[in-house]
Amino acid sequence: DTGVSQDPRHKITKRGQNVTFRCDPISEHNRLYWYRQTLGQGPEFLTYFQNEAQLEKSRLLSDRFSAERPKGSFSTLEIQRTEQGDSAMYLCASREGGEAYGYTFGSGTRLTVV
Amino acid sequence: QKEVEQNSGPLSVPEGAIASLNCTYSDRVSQSFFWYRQYSGKSPELIMSIYSNGDKEDGRFTAQLNKASQYVSLLIRDSQPSDSATYLCAAPMIKAAGNKLTFGGGTRVLVKP
Repeated sequence: DTGVSQDPRHKITKRGQNVTFRCDPISEHNRLYWYRQTLGQGPEFLTYFQNEAQLEKSRLLSDRFSAERPKGSFSTLEIQRTEQGDSAMYLCASREGGEAYGYTFGSGTRLTVV
Repeated sequence: QKEVEQNSGPLSVPEGAIASLNCTYSDRVSQSFFWYRQYSGKSPELIMSIYSNGDKEDGRFTAQLNKASQYVSLLIRDSQPSDSATYLCAAPMIKAAGNKLTFGGGTRVLVKP
């Protein structure tokens, strides 16, 4: 297992379309996080899974956003009815344990809504 | 007050000099802190972690932590043009589920040959 994988790397979509991103974490890591990052800003937390349970969602995550992690393995993040403000880098990270462990990030998915 | 704050920069340093980056955090309960390097258009890469007060050295990087002052810093010695990147400070929010990391806005470093 070479790290966290995200697919696709880039996505251009028209406003109003739905998009789905996938993240495959490091296999031994039971904690998975989604973040969003816009230009010149640090990553902002979106949601957190421990195994298959979604334990926290940010207020940034409107009802157009949904995330799943079936069977506690890969995760998907779906954005419905995309808006131009959704254009950002979507980062997935996984972590081996709790507070003492840093994240390993995937390469990210760059979303552009036109 | 933001939970993790950094000077956005850019911090311009000549090649071979020391780059000094600062970060303050608001959660007094946080025990571990992380520095990530992010090249333009790429994802963040973990370069340092620190858990105890004092200094921690790894190659040309030194992280410094002062929990009483809620302050963590990163020194880059003998700066190289390849160190030009944005450096993100992160701390876990202990009251949050999964001790999620909160990131500062990042400090952009430019190393000039």
